[in-house]
Amino acid sequence: GAVVSQHPSWVICKSGTSVKIECRSLDFQATTMFWYRQFPKQSLMLMATSNEGSKATYEQGVEKDKFLINHASLTLSTLTVTSAHPEDSSFYICSAPMDGDEKLFFGSGTQLSVL
Amino acid sequence: QKEVEQDPGPLSVPEGAIVSLNCTYSNSAFQYFMWYRQYSRKGPELLMYTYSSGNKEDGRFTAQVDKSSKYISLFIRDSQPSDSATYLCAMSGTGGFKTIFGAGTRLFVKA
Repeated sequence: GAVVSQHPSWVICKSGTSVKIECRSLDFQATTMFWYRQFPKQSLMLMATSNEGSKATYEQGVEKDKFLINHASLTLSTLTVTSAHPEDSSFYICSAPMDGDEKLFFGSGTQLSVL
Repeated sequence: QKEVEQDPGPLSVPEGAIVSLNCTYSNSAFQYFMWYRQYSRKGPELLMYTYSSGNKEDGRFTAQVDKSSKYISLFIRDSQPSDSATYLCAMSGTGGFKTIFGAGTRLFVKA
């Protein structure tokens, strides 16, 4: 199957700082990538859809200015959590479909802990 | 009513048992049905992918889709402790549909 690489796996930061998470499709091009948040023992919550060359589409209730998404190329999307606070601590996961396919390939996830 | 309903479990079975995991859905426009396995603190891994109704088998895994009943299943034969994980059903349609995930069922296979 296709490979999606996500970094870092773990990040601990102080309250008020910003954290950047990278998501790369390694062996295919992805014009669209998705960013999710997952709380313990809960399912995936879609935060936003990242579109190469255009603005991201955010789900209702997700703060655009807090969760900045940049889809710089056909293989790279980044999520920046700005001015992070303890309530932003969560597991963040990205996914990408191969163009024209409904299957989603997921990154390994990033555990963010804000102190 | 949620678009996709999945019992979160937990489901605990002895090694070697046949496991049955299920989801129901309400949107008849769904055409693509998937099962993902997620280990703790890891990203989901695609297990099975089915288009429309029918069965699909891959090793110890069998996926079934019954569109008339809006019901999908994943069967795991000869379950192993390494199958212990959360299993998420997912579904989507054509025309810009977003993929909708179930809540996930936590499975424990005891040695």
